[in-house]
Amino acid sequence: DTEVTQTPKHLVMGMTNKKSLKCEQHMGHRAMYWYKQKAKKPPELMFVYSYEKLSINESVPSRFSPECPNSSLLNLHLHALQPEDSALYLCASSQAPRDYYGYTFGSGTRLTVV
Amino acid sequence: GIQVEQSPPDLILQEGANSTLRCNFSDSVNNLQWFHQNPWGQLINLFYIPSGTKQNGRLSATTVATERYSLLYISSSQTTDSGVYFCAVGTYKYIFGTGTRLKVLA
Repeated sequence: DTEVTQTPKHLVMGMTNKKSLKCEQHMGHRAMYWYKQKAKKPPELMFVYSYEKLSINESVPSRFSPECPNSSLLNLHLHALQPEDSALYLCASSQAPRDYYGYTFGSGTRLTVV
Repeated sequence: GIQVEQSPPDLILQEGANSTLRCNFSDSVNNLQWFHQNPWGQLINLFYIPSGTKQNGRLSATTVATERYSLLYISSSQTTDSGVYFCAVGTYKYIFGTGTRLKVLA
């Protein structure tokens, strides 16, 4: 299995809603990442999990809350988002922190905040 | 932080043409990767190439780490090559370049 699976593919949520994005990989990778991508821009790193522990938080607002329940699963909990948070959210994984051979992205969740 | 610039920003080709995309980066890095983002948003890994040369079918890439640049060659382009090409570089985390938006016309 060489895939990173993200669900849902599309999500529309109101500013008072709570929702979660899910990312799963079964490649034995020990580093997992969340990125945010706005239209016509490159992906921007949000969080890095290394061996199931949060190792990098790129000054992301607290309305985004990551969670890594186990080595295969990464969640991003969303609460009280703003319309400007609408974007493509991408998950990725790699063999190990700082070893990016095999770095693989999921297909993303396209989020719209209304 | 590391600056990553790609050129050209936009490229339009006729099907069958060849092209070279460039990625310049401002500091030494341990990792470099080329990705193709298709029109549906999927980022597809093309090459992991922190140094040297690799080839995969019609695509090849060369990284000259000492001079801080990498090149992606696309030969005999096809309409399915359309999309955005990103290089990403880094040691502790990936920094993405500005991207090259490619459109291949039939």
